[in-house]
Amino acid sequence: QKEVEQDPGPLSVPEGAIVSLNCTYSNSAFQYFMWYRQYSRKGPELLMYTYSSGNKEDGRFTAQVDKSSKYISLFIRDSQPSDSATYLCAMSANNNNDMRFGAGTRLTVKP
Amino acid sequence: DSGVTQTPKHLITATGQRVTLRCSPRSGDLSVYWYQQSLDQGLQFLIHYYNGEERAKGNILERFSAQQFPDLHSELNLSSLELGDSALYFCASSVALGRPNTGELFFGEGSRLTVL
Repeated sequence: QKEVEQDPGPLSVPEGAIVSLNCTYSNSAFQYFMWYRQYSRKGPELLMYTYSSGNKEDGRFTAQVDKSSKYISLFIRDSQPSDSATYLCAMSANNNNDMRFGAGTRLTVKP
Repeated sequence: DSGVTQTPKHLITATGQRVTLRCSPRSGDLSVYWYQQSLDQGLQFLIHYYNGEERAKGNILERFSAQQFPDLHSELNLSSLELGDSALYFCASSVALGRPNTGELFFGEGSRLTVL
């Protein structure tokens, strides 16, 4: 079993849709959770960062962490074509940046 | 621009050969990470260096090695290359003295290796 599981998609939605991206994990020591966005031919860049359980909102993006279920989510409201990218979840146990990444979900938002 | 520089951007070589990938971290960042990204495996953690010392190893093959130099740049050496080593290799940096450790990694644009 992989430490971090993420459905690779691909996921295609119409512009304006609400997108839900998810990851599950097996290591209960993880307590720092991140979402990275990766555009084609580019390196990943940090989108959202949360510590422990709870929700965090930043504009159209909301990250949720449920440590009891070992499940994290990223919601994108009013999705735009510019949101088309691969979204990778990432997590670590001690914030020493020894992160483990999910496989990434490829999202396409169609105009 | 993340501030992390990787060279070369593209590399084509033959099986059995050896290549060196180079990474210059963001100014002042002490940590350098190497990741391998292939289509079916996602981002795989290879190795982490902090201020010249190896801190953690992931799924790094014995044919691969890395080091971080006193000026903090890092090199990833891949030897006895196989077809399956074809992938994107990313370097990331973090943790600069005087800056809070937010856990964010700053990635370069990657080195695309093709082994024929």
